[in-house]
Amino acid sequence: DVKVTQSSRYLVKRTGEKVFLECVQDMDHENMFWYRQDPGLGLRLIYFSYDVKMKEKGDIPEGYSVSREKKERFSLILESASTNQTSMYLCASSPRLGGQNQPQHFGDGTRLSIL
Amino acid sequence: AQSVTQPDIHITVSEGASLELRCNYSYGATPYLFWYVQSPGQGLQLLLKYFSGDTLVQGIKGFEAEFKRSQSSFNLRKPSVHWSDAAEYFCAVGVPLGAQKLVFGQGTRLTINP
Repeated sequence: DVKVTQSSRYLVKRTGEKVFLECVQDMDHENMFWYRQDPGLGLRLIYFSYDVKMKEKGDIPEGYSVSREKKERFSLILESASTNQTSMYLCASSPRLGGQNQPQHFGDGTRLSIL
Repeated sequence: AQSVTQPDIHITVSEGASLELRCNYSYGATPYLFWYVQSPGQGLQLLLKYFSGDTLVQGIKGFEAEFKRSQSSFNLRKPSVHWSDAAEYFCAVGVPLGAQKLVFGQGTRLTINP
């Protein structure tokens, strides 16, 4: 089974801090994704990456950046945390097989609170 | 732009009753469609997917979904729900460009009455 591991289940940080959320997948997937999940809004894509050192903005990239130095690891960075970034953050990965969308495999999420 | 609508934010059914969760999508080409389930405090688990072929798709945990192109729908069904089916359910449509993004609906929270 594919395993997507997010480094923290719960995290509490202060306004203005630089915050790192880490995600590691063990299935050699090319694609990796970061979402935030808020009640009533579903999942919204923040950033994604389809290869090492490649990244593309999703729907809500403002206030975030990402890093993918190794294929298995995709980091989400909150440059200066703000209270409106309190949310559940989900990481996912998927293989790139031809032109077909492949199912994404999700981690258990990180519930981040910014005080 | 692609979009997914789940019209029902919250549904309550009795244990043993049948279930149908609605999903409508907007996408110009042949869609790739998915249903995911999220139990409290956990990530999303794939229930089933539709790529092409037979429009009735079987998934895990006794779920099935039917793709209806004329209605732009991909509704999820289960003949008899169990208390363990209480969760949030997400429909998603695949965008086969670049990293093959998914666009998710808002989710439907399912409550099971004993």
